[in-house]
This record gives sequence, C-alpha cells and structure tokens, in this order.
Amino acid sequence: AQSVAQPEDQVNVAEGNPLTVKCTYSVSGNPYLFWYVQYPNRGLQFLLKYITGDNLVKGSYGFEAEFNKSQTSFHLKKPSALVSDSALYFCAVRLGGRDDKIIFGKGTRLHILP
Amino acid sequence: DTEVTQTPKHLVMGMTNKKSLKCEQHMGHRAMYWYKQKAKKPPELMFVYSYEKLSINESVPSRFSPECPNSSLLNLHLHALQPEDSALYLCASSQTGVSNQPQHFGDGTRLSIL
Repeated sequence: AQSVAQPEDQVNVAEGNPLTVKCTYSVSGNPYLFWYVQYPNRGLQFLLKYITGDNLVKGSYGFEAEFNKSQTSFHLKKPSALVSDSALYFCAVRLGGRDDKIIFGKGTRLHILP
Repeated sequence: DTEVTQTPKHLVMGMTNKKSLKCEQHMGHRAMYWYKQKAKKPPELMFVYSYEKLSINESVPSRFSPECPNSSLLNLHLHALQPEDSALYLCASSQTGVSNQPQHFGDGTRLSIL
C-alpha cells in the first residue's frame, strides 16, 4: 500500500536553531513528493516539491528538503528557525494517473520557542 | 491571499437544513477537489472533478452532493448533516494529468452542525 509517514506529532525548536521535520514514504514507481504548511484557520500552502534531479530542493520561506531514495525519506529542513514558522506541516505524495490523489502524512506540529 | 476562494468562511446549520459551500478558482485548473479536515488531522479526500466530471467519490454519504457547473466553480450541497460532519471543508485545484504539480488550497469553510 502506498503511504506517507511522519513519525513525530510535534517538534520543538528554539528560535535561531536549525529544524528538521521528518517524512518517509512508501510508493511504487517514482514519487512526486510535496511539503505543505497550514497556519491556524487557513488552508494548506505549498512549500516545495521533489520531482527528479537534485536531491536538495529549495522552497518558500527559506525551507528546503532532502530527498533520499535509499532511505525513502524526504525530510524538511531550515537552517535557522523563526517563531513565525510555528505551524502544522504535512508531507504528501501525489499518485497521478487515473487515481490522481494526494496521500498526506498525519502532520507534524512545529513549535518554535522564542 | 489564496488563489482558490471559498465561501462562506463559517457556517452553522441545523441537521435539517440545506446549505451549499462554494469554491472558485481562475487559474485555468481543470481538476478540483473537496476535502474534509478534522482538527489536527490531515485532509481526507471526498471528491475529485476532472474536466467538470466527477472522477473520484471516496464513498462519501449521499447527504453530501458535489456539483461542478463550470471549469471555475465547485459546489458542495449539504442536506441532513450529522454532528460528526462538523469540520473544516477545503477546496483545492490543480492541473490535470500533471502529477508533479501541487494542489492549490482555499482557506476552507468551517462547518458546525448543531
């Protein structure tokens, strides 16, 4: 079965420190991987995606993600966290073809401590 | 500002009422989606429209009735809802047949069933 796992319900990081939000996936074929962020009372906002090519993907608001095929991981990173980064983060894979769905991970709440 | 507009932002209705949620996008996307999201959980797919035709129905109860009157609009008609239907309802759109593109989400309608 195709799935996305986010092993941490919550990640706490001090402001200014680097942050990592973990994601692993299990899909057949080549994965199209995405990270979304959701702020309170808002919809999901697209941060970045991996399609093919460079394993380090840069996205919005200074975020980046590292694709690792052997570990089937797509961890979200940022070198220096801001309090405004506090939000709910979802890793996702888009299946395409006739079954054009997105499978979301359960979400990780990121809490940046001032 | 989001490129997908949902109205109303909040809706409170009784179990015998009939109401509709509306979604509009002008990005030329021909795939549109309805999701249901409970607090601190990932979005759950309800329906997918592709070129204004229903392509995926995730076994949603018939008290939810989707409609896609044209390529820019998506409606969700509600009738005889249950208290457990209280949730954030998100609309999204994307290019069709291009699996490496993200979905664009609206900010949702927060629905409360009395």
